[in-house]
Amino acid sequence: QKEVEQNSGPLSVPEGAIASLNCTYSDRGSQSFFWYRQYSGKSPELIMSIYSNGDKEDGRFTAQLNKASQYVSLLIRDSQPSDSATYLCAVNFGNEKLTFGTGTRLTIIP
Amino acid sequence: DAGVTQSPTHLIKTRGQQVTLRCSPISGHKSVSWYQQVLGQGPQFIFQYYEKEERGRGNFPDRFSARQFPNYSSELNVNALLLGDSALYLCASSLAVGGGAFFGQGTRLTVV
Repeated sequence: QKEVEQNSGPLSVPEGAIASLNCTYSDRGSQSFFWYRQYSGKSPELIMSIYSNGDKEDGRFTAQLNKASQYVSLLIRDSQPSDSATYLCAVNFGNEKLTFGTGTRLTIIP
Repeated sequence: DAGVTQSPTHLIKTRGQQVTLRCSPISGHKSVSWYQQVLGQGPQFIFQYYEKEERGRGNFPDRFSARQFPNYSSELNVNALLLGDSALYLCASSLAVGGGAFFGQGTRLTVV
C-alpha cells in the first residue's frame, strides 16, 4: 500500500524563525509532490509543487526533494503568525489520485 | 478568474437519506476529483473524472457515485447516508491527471 507519512505535531516555532516540515513516502518511483496549507475550517490550498530532486523556492517557502531517500520537506523562512495552519504533504504515485499524509499542525509563536 | 466552486457549503441530512453535491472546476480544467476529509485526517480520494470518463475510484462503497458533465462540472451522490459519512467533501480540479489539484471551499455534510 502506498503511503505518505508526516509527523502530526503540533510543531511550535517562534516568529521570525525557520519552520521545517517533513514528509516521507513509500514508493521510490513517485513523480509528483505537493504541499498544501489548510487553515482550520477551510479547504487545502496548494502552496508548492516539486517534481525533481533538489530545492524549489517560492518567496519564503522552499520545497526540498530527495527521491533516493523518499523524503520531501517544506521550509518556511521568517515565519509569521499567519503561517499557523496544518500543512499537508501529497504525493502522486503515478496514478489518478493524490495520496495525502495526515498533516502537521504548525503554530507560530509571536 | 473564478476558482473551484462547490455547492452547497453546508448540509444536514438524516440517516438513510440521499445527497447530491456539486462542483464547477476552474475554467479550462478538464479533470475533477472528489475527496472526503474527516477531522484530523488528510483528504481521502473518492473519484476522479477526466473528459467525462471515470479515471479512478477510491476505497468507498457503492453508495458513492459521481459523474462529470460536458461542461466539466461534476456531481457526487451519496445514497443511504450513514453517520460515518459526516465529513468535509472536497472537489478539486486540475489541468491534467496527476497534476497539482486546486480545491474548492468544500461541502460540510452532517448526518444526524
